[in-house]
Amino acid sequence: DAGITQSPRHKVTETGTPVTLRCHQTENHRYMYWYRQDPGHGLRLIHYSYGVKDTDKGEVSDGYSVSRSKTEDFLLTLESATSSQTSVYFCAISESGLAGNPYGYTFGSGTRLTVV
Amino acid sequence: DAKTTQPNSMESNEEEPVHLPCNHSTISGTDYIHWYRQLPSQGPEYVIHGLTSNVNNRMASLAIAEDRKSSTLILHRATLRDAAVYYCILNAGGTSYGKLTFGQGTILTVHP
Repeated sequence: DAGITQSPRHKVTETGTPVTLRCHQTENHRYMYWYRQDPGHGLRLIHYSYGVKDTDKGEVSDGYSVSRSKTEDFLLTLESATSSQTSVYFCAISESGLAGNPYGYTFGSGTRLTVV
Repeated sequence: DAKTTQPNSMESNEEEPVHLPCNHSTISGTDYIHWYRQLPSQGPEYVIHGLTSNVNNRMASLAIAEDRKSSTLILHRATLRDAAVYYCILNAGGTSYGKLTFGQGTILTVHP
């Protein structure tokens, strides 16, 4: 989707190294989310942000940290990558945090991370 | 969080209607029903959502049972491009900050 980009698209890294994934949006949406997707687990929420410098944990946040210093960028950092963090990571944005958000959520194309 | 139950897989023929069911018996009064789909090697894509009344948009229709314990996503004429994993999700109201909780979804196969 043109309004949200993730980088890199693919990355291979070694166990124990730090990794940062970037989500960039041009929609000026307030809410941003990081999900991971693994076979047999569907998508699971890692962290989310409800404004600049306002972030909180999702259901699988251990081993991950996030930062949002400006509206358009939401960074996901693996401080010391492990093989269990091999996954596909998706970023999502939303104009509203309300359940009845009429605009839906827009997802990026994903980052495939392999930790060897 | 309220859960949803969907069949693991369904099949359809091209140009025929498809009815994808979802059970959510523990839904609360403020939960919205959202549907997303995920095409191969892509991120999820918003399809439709509703609260109590049936909803229509250019992609699909959403039929919600009167007791709201189940819903059905209707694709009126399936195409090969509709082959995807379809997720039925309950989006809680209140201060949930719009977090989505995905289940396993239904894998839809469309035959030519």
